[in-house]
Amino acid sequence: AQSVTQLGSHVSVSEGALVLLRCNYSSSVPPYLFWYVQYPNQGLQLLLKYTTGATLVKGINGFEAEFKKSETSFHLTKPSAHMSDAAEYFCAVNFYSNYQLIWGAGTKLIIKP
Amino acid sequence: NAGVTQTPKFRVLKTGQSMTLLCAQDMNHEYMYWYRQDPGMGLRLIHYSVGEGTTAKGEVPDGYNVSRLKKQNFLLGLESAAPSQTSVYFCASTPLAALGEQYFGPGTRLTVT
Repeated sequence: AQSVTQLGSHVSVSEGALVLLRCNYSSSVPPYLFWYVQYPNQGLQLLLKYTTGATLVKGINGFEAEFKKSETSFHLTKPSAHMSDAAEYFCAVNFYSNYQLIWGAGTKLIIKP
Repeated sequence: NAGVTQTPKFRVLKTGQSMTLLCAQDMNHEYMYWYRQDPGMGLRLIHYSVGEGTTAKGEVPDGYNVSRLKKQNFLLGLESAAPSQTSVYFCASTPLAALGEQYFGPGTRLTVT
């Protein structure tokens, strides 16, 4: 079955340090890939997406993600963490369905001062 | 535009009571979804709709019913609430041509005692 795995339910980094959140999917066919962010007590919002074309995708707030087909991965990175980045991040994939996403379980990003 | 709105924001029910959660979107989106979010389990799809007058079951539909009589509204009903339905409920919508781009409401926090 198709699935999405996010490694680590919690990731803690110091302010100013590199952020790396991992996402892998299971499929022989590359899907459309998404990262969503959920700030405390809010709904989710789209951070960035990959559909076709350039495999390095830039999103809002300085985040970017790289699609690596050989590794079936779509890891999210940010060079320098800010306190305002503290949130939960969800990876999701769309296998060419008109309407359904498959969601990862989420990774809570904790920023240490 | 208000985007996706949800009513109410909070609700406490006793076991066996019924209620309806209302989702409204003013973006003329075709697809609408109801999710529940529980700690450590990510987002789980309850029901979805691909257009006015049509609904379909998602991953966890038991105990819930939905209706989409108007394109802009998607209602989620609990006929006989159970403590296992204590959760945060999110509504989302997607335009026809944007695979995977879901726009979320702020959520409804429901507690069933």
